Amino acid sequence: GIQVEQSPPDLILQEGANSTLRCNFSDSVNNLQWFHQNPWGQLINLFYIPSGTKQNGRLSATTVATERYSLLYISSSQTTDSGVYFCAVGTSYNQGGKLIFGQGTELSVKP
Amino acid sequence: NAGVTQTPKFRVLKTGQSMTLLCAQDMNHEYMYWYRQDPGMGLRLIHYSVGEGTTAKGEVPDGYNVSRLKKQNFLLGLESAAPSQTSVYFCASAGLNRDEQYFGPGTRLTVT
Repeated sequence: GIQVEQSPPDLILQEGANSTLRCNFSDSVNNLQWFHQNPWGQLINLFYIPSGTKQNGRLSATTVATERYSLLYISSSQTTDSGVYFCAVGTSYNQGGKLIFGQGTELSVKP
Repeated sequence: NAGVTQTPKFRVLKTGQSMTLLCAQDMNHEYMYWYRQDPGMGLRLIHYSVGEGTTAKGEVPDGYNVSRLKKQNFLLGLESAAPSQTSVYFCASAGLNRDEQYFGPGTRLTVT
């Protein structure tokens, strides 16, 4: 099955710094989503981005489907950005459109 | 518009007890999913449904059953809980295009 790898596994930033999180996947996808899991365990949809670039405030994401990777950019980080960031992909042939999750990047933003 | 809701939020069971987790969505979505999340890991699919009255097995279905009697509800049952089922359970739904999935707040289950 498709493999999803995220890097780095952990990241510590000072407030105000920028960061780039990466998601590599091993096969063609028709769905790619980025989630933020906050310290209370909630999964928050950040982007639905199977290809192209999107921006939402301080966050932006780019997926290069032909090269099988996606990047999540966080600019001017804040302590509320702390948590785990997951990339999840879906393929047209998989079970009912299920998402395959990466292991996540744990981000800690220090004041 | 509440999106995806799950009940209960927390539950503690003894080994061998049974329970049902309820997922409800008000977006008229066709597809619904149950995932589990274990410490330090991403989510894994337990069962899913492509429409009212249909269910199918996912990646880790053993020990669970599901039902989708109404389009807006997807129930996950544990007939005889085991400590290995201690986890956080997330429900999700998606529209006809099976594109963006929307997740509920999760249910934290502990089996002692």
